[in-house]
Amino acid sequence: KAGVTQTPRYLIKTRGQQVTLSCSPISGHRSVSWYQQTPGQGLQFLFEYFSETQRNKGNFPGRFSGRQFSNSRSEMNVSTLELGDSALYLCASSLAGGDNEQFFGPGTRLTVL
Amino acid sequence: QKEVEQNSGPLSVPEGAIASLNCTYSDRVSQSFFWYRQYSGKSPELIMSIYSNGDKEDGRFTAQLNKASQYVSLLIRDSQPSDSATYLCAVCNTNAGKSTFGDGTTLTVKP
Repeated sequence: KAGVTQTPRYLIKTRGQQVTLSCSPISGHRSVSWYQQTPGQGLQFLFEYFSETQRNKGNFPGRFSGRQFSNSRSEMNVSTLELGDSALYLCASSLAGGDNEQFFGPGTRLTVL
Repeated sequence: QKEVEQNSGPLSVPEGAIASLNCTYSDRVSQSFFWYRQYSGKSPELIMSIYSNGDKEDGRFTAQLNKASQYVSLLIRDSQPSDSATYLCAVCNTNAGKSTFGDGTTLTVKP
């Protein structure tokens, strides 16, 4: 079974720009969670989607948004990028939700200059 | 107080020894507990899940859960240099529908 895929793997953007990250979960998994990982803050929960609906949201500003498509693929968008948004963005898929066993993708490394 | 706290590292053990990783959590209604391993430059990988009080063994790994003490641990027996990684504890409240991760403990196993 193919694992979780994320594209792109690396991104370099400048302040003020916007970015869209993509995640394809394991086949059959309906839940996709997004996390931001930085050395100082660890793994921070952004949001979780299940069957195209956002079920949970972390404490991030509205510049961070996401969506999920009918095939369970998910996208995350960050608008008006700030230097502090530089991080590894990870998505994780699970059968039923973020409170279940999660399987992480390789991540997208975003650098904001 | 953080929702999930892990023992501060780094933790260094000699090859063949037992490595003990600890995690405490504050949400009493947490129901699911997971340990992930993250190698440097890689994404987290699930290695153990535990849902009931007691011990759960999988190969060289043993997870221990004590809900009354709000404590979960991971023991790695016969530690190998390949076990050198950061170990993340995740605590889940099914009602909240999400996992909260600790900051991780970095383990180094010296040959």
